[in-house]
Amino acid sequence: DTAVSQTPKYLVTQMGNDKSIKCEQNLGHDTMYWYKQDSKKFLKIMFSYNNKELIINETVPNRFSPKSPDKAHLNLHINSLELGDSAVYFCASSQEQDSNQPQHFGDGTRLSIL
Amino acid sequence: AQKVTQAQTEISVVEKEDVTLDCVYETRDTTYYLFWYKQPPSGELVFLIRRNSFDEQNEISGRYSWNFQKSTSSFNFTITASQVVDSAVYFCALSEAWASYGKLTFGQGTILTVHP
Repeated sequence: DTAVSQTPKYLVTQMGNDKSIKCEQNLGHDTMYWYKQDSKKFLKIMFSYNNKELIINETVPNRFSPKSPDKAHLNLHINSLELGDSAVYFCASSQEQDSNQPQHFGDGTRLSIL
Repeated sequence: AQKVTQAQTEISVVEKEDVTLDCVYETRDTTYYLFWYKQPPSGELVFLIRRNSFDEQNEISGRYSWNFQKSTSSFNFTITASQVVDSAVYFCALSEAWASYGKLTFGQGTILTVHP
C-alpha cells in the first residue's frame, strides 16, 4: 500500500509535446506538493495545494499547470516541453500546510526530453 | 529569505567509520523546523527526522544522531558505525513557521558513499 504514488515512473518524450504526471496519496493528508530535482540533485518546490486550493506557486513557467480534482490527487500537466524540463519530479503530501509537518514523498517521475 | 547550506558535496568512508554530515541554515524567523531526508540509489526520498527551533535537545535513533545548535545555526547529522546501506544522498531542509505554508527549502545534498 504505497502512501504517495506517482505515475508514470519514467517518461521519455520529444520537445514540444504535452505530458501529464499523476499523483495520489492515501494518507488522508490535506496538503500536496510538487518538487523538481535537477541533474545536480537540487530539490526545489514548484507548487502546493491545500484542500484543492493553490497555496504556493513558486515562479514556475505557466507551461506547468497543476490540477487537484480532490485533496487526495495532485496532477501536473506540462505543455510544450523543453529540454530544460528534463528532471525528476516528486510529489509529496503532509497532514496540513503547517511548516512543522513532515512531508512524505512519492518515488519520483524521471522526465527525459529528447 | 531562508537558505540551507550543506558544504560537503561528497563524503567517502569505509564501513564502520563514523561520519558527520554538516548542515548550516539561515532564516529570519524565530520559529522554524529542520528536517533530514535520505535519498538512496533507488531514488525515493525518505523522511528521517524533524526538529523544532525551540527544542535544542539532541536526538539519537539507533546509529543516527542529530546535533542542533541554534548559536551556530547548524543541524548536523552523525552516522555511527556506518554501513554500506547508508550510502545515499542526504538532504537537510528548513521550513519557516511564518507564511511559508509548509514550503521546504533544501540544501544541495551530501552524497555519502560507504565502502565495504
